Amino acid sequence: DGGITQSPKYLFRKEGQNVTLSCEQNLNHDAMYWYRQDPGQGLRLIYYSQIVNDFQKGDIAEGYSVSREKKESFPLTVTSAQKNPTAFYLCASSGTDYSNQPQHFGDGTRLSIL
Amino acid sequence: DAKTTQPPSMDCAEGRAANLPCNHSTISGNEYVYWYRQIHSQGPQYIIHGLKNNETNEMASLIITEDRKSSTLILPHATLRDTAVYYCIVRRRRTYKYIFGTGTRLKVLA
Repeated sequence: DGGITQSPKYLFRKEGQNVTLSCEQNLNHDAMYWYRQDPGQGLRLIYYSQIVNDFQKGDIAEGYSVSREKKESFPLTVTSAQKNPTAFYLCASSGTDYSNQPQHFGDGTRLSIL
Repeated sequence: DAKTTQPPSMDCAEGRAANLPCNHSTISGNEYVYWYRQIHSQGPQYIIHGLKNNETNEMASLIITEDRKSSTLILPHATLRDTAVYYCIVRRRRTYKYIFGTGTRLKVLA
């Protein structure tokens, strides 16, 4: 089935450690996105990438880093600089940026810092 | 970017139509309206989108007012599985950004 796979579903890390969240898509989409969701809130954009080897900061990029070495993969690293990393992280992808096609989302990774 | 306003919660009886309103009074001519829903602990699921004409698909109908300042998502025969948070999003054409609000929590009652 075509879709977006995020792994793992749950992730626990000690304070001060960097952690990397995986996102893979087989929809042949050019654009990929990372969002953060806190309880009872909507989604906020962390980073997005329109094409391989290129990415831009979203609204809350501080304390996060990304890479886009392959079209199908867009991993997110939550660094120790992120003050409050416990949240639900969602990855999405869409067709070319200059279209009205909707974003498709994965099922998320719930990160908890111990 | 235009902002959206939705009621925080709604109830609907099973089998009845669920009508979810959204106000986007500052929408501009090139901004699309998208609807997603999110069931607890899952990623948002795309439902439907439109620019100015009414749209229908297998999941729902989208009614956009003539002045485009508001829209309504209609689930024609709500089931218990439609219980979720529904987000109305406005997105400018040729941009990447979705602005998510807090959505409407729809509860379908048996």
